[in-house]
Amino acid sequence: SQKIEQNSEALNIQEGKTATLTCNYTNYSPAYLQWYRQDPGRGPVFLLLIRENEKEKRKERLKVTFDTTLKQSLFHITASQPADSATYLCALTVPNDMRFGAGTRLTVKP
Amino acid sequence: DAGVTQSPTHLIKTRGQQVTLRCSPKSGHDTVSWYQQALGQGPQFIFQYYEEEERQRGNFPDRFSGHQFPNYSSELNVNALLLGDSALYLCASSFLIDTYNSPLHFGNGTRLTVT
Repeated sequence: SQKIEQNSEALNIQEGKTATLTCNYTNYSPAYLQWYRQDPGRGPVFLLLIRENEKEKRKERLKVTFDTTLKQSLFHITASQPADSATYLCALTVPNDMRFGAGTRLTVKP
Repeated sequence: DAGVTQSPTHLIKTRGQQVTLRCSPKSGHDTVSWYQQALGQGPQFIFQYYEEEERQRGNFPDRFSGHQFPNYSSELNVNALLLGDSALYLCASSFLIDTYNSPLHFGNGTRLTVT
């Protein structure tokens, strides 16, 4: 069956450290993979998109990698700040569909 | 430039009742998608509307129906509400041609509680 698994429900790290979130998928061949941030009671907000033929994408303190052989994407936040605390969702784009993972709740402690 | 707006923000209904949720897309967008997000879960795709027609549908029963108006705004209707329909309902807008290779713009959702 098709699955999208994000590494853990919750991740706690210290301010200034790098947060690494994982998105693994099975039985999909996504053309694109996106990462969204969601704060409590709010809708998801787009962060980064990476295409199947791209290995890595960066935006400010954010970096995403996409390994179609391992069927995995890694999302990194460097020099993390308490304001980065939120739930992060990965989303796979396949023809005519977009599927979301359950998300990882990141808490950055001062 | 207004983003995606949804109304109402919160709603409490009783089992068996019917509910209508509303969405105005981001200015310039022609496609509206609806998602259901249960607590602790990712958004689940309900359906997508373009040119006033349902273009795609996820794995949701016929109790879930929708409509898109000429101004691209949209409604989600749920009939015969069940307790399990309690969730955050999200609307996302995009350009059809870009729906799956560019960002979705989400509203802040309607929190539906069925008692």
